[in-house]
Amino acid sequence: GAVVSQHPSWVICKSGTSVKIECRSLDFQATTMFWYRQFPKQSLMLMATSNEGSKATYEQGVEKDKFLINHASLTLSTLTVTSAHPEDSSFYICSAHDRTITDTQYFGPGTRLTVL
Amino acid sequence: AQSVTQLDSHVSVSEGTPVLLRCNYSSSYSPSLFWYVQHPNKGLQLLLKYTSAATLVKGINGFEAEFKKSETSFHLTKPSAHMSDAAEYFCVVSYTGGGNKLTFGTGTQLKVEL
Repeated sequence: GAVVSQHPSWVICKSGTSVKIECRSLDFQATTMFWYRQFPKQSLMLMATSNEGSKATYEQGVEKDKFLINHASLTLSTLTVTSAHPEDSSFYICSAHDRTITDTQYFGPGTRLTVL
Repeated sequence: AQSVTQLDSHVSVSEGTPVLLRCNYSSSYSPSLFWYVQHPNKGLQLLLKYTSAATLVKGINGFEAEFKKSETSFHLTKPSAHMSDAAEYFCVVSYTGGGNKLTFGTGTQLKVEL
């Protein structure tokens, strides 16, 4: 089946620093990737849609200058949390849409971010 | 607008007994519906999906779901629970023209007891 990886799987950083999270589709090309945030024991909330070769589309209430998204290739999207603060601590999950074969979104294993 | 409601936040069953996880959806358009499972510290895995073909959808690991338009429901079932089924289950909706955006339900935690 289609595989999506995320790196790192967990990261701890100091308040005020920036953290970059990578999302890769390993065996298919994805023109569209999605970034979600999941708080403990809660559902996934869509943050933004990452479009290859164009600007990301952010959901209402998500600060685009805070959460920078780059989708430079058909297999890689990155999410950079800038000037992180403790309230940004969360589980970040990406998904990649396989449009050509299965027309299904495949999810990465997630990245646990802890901001001290 | 689209949304899903998972009626039970927690479900507990005994191993070997049937599983029923309930989901109701609301969508202004013809929806696609999915069930995903999330095991602790693992990524979400697609169990099954409905995309306007057969209303009874069979998925992996013995799970199936039936799309009932009249009841706006898409309940997930399994005839016999296994210990390895213990996980968080999410009912998810999207619709054609929605940019493939997924809207997640709040999740149902399934506990399987001996």
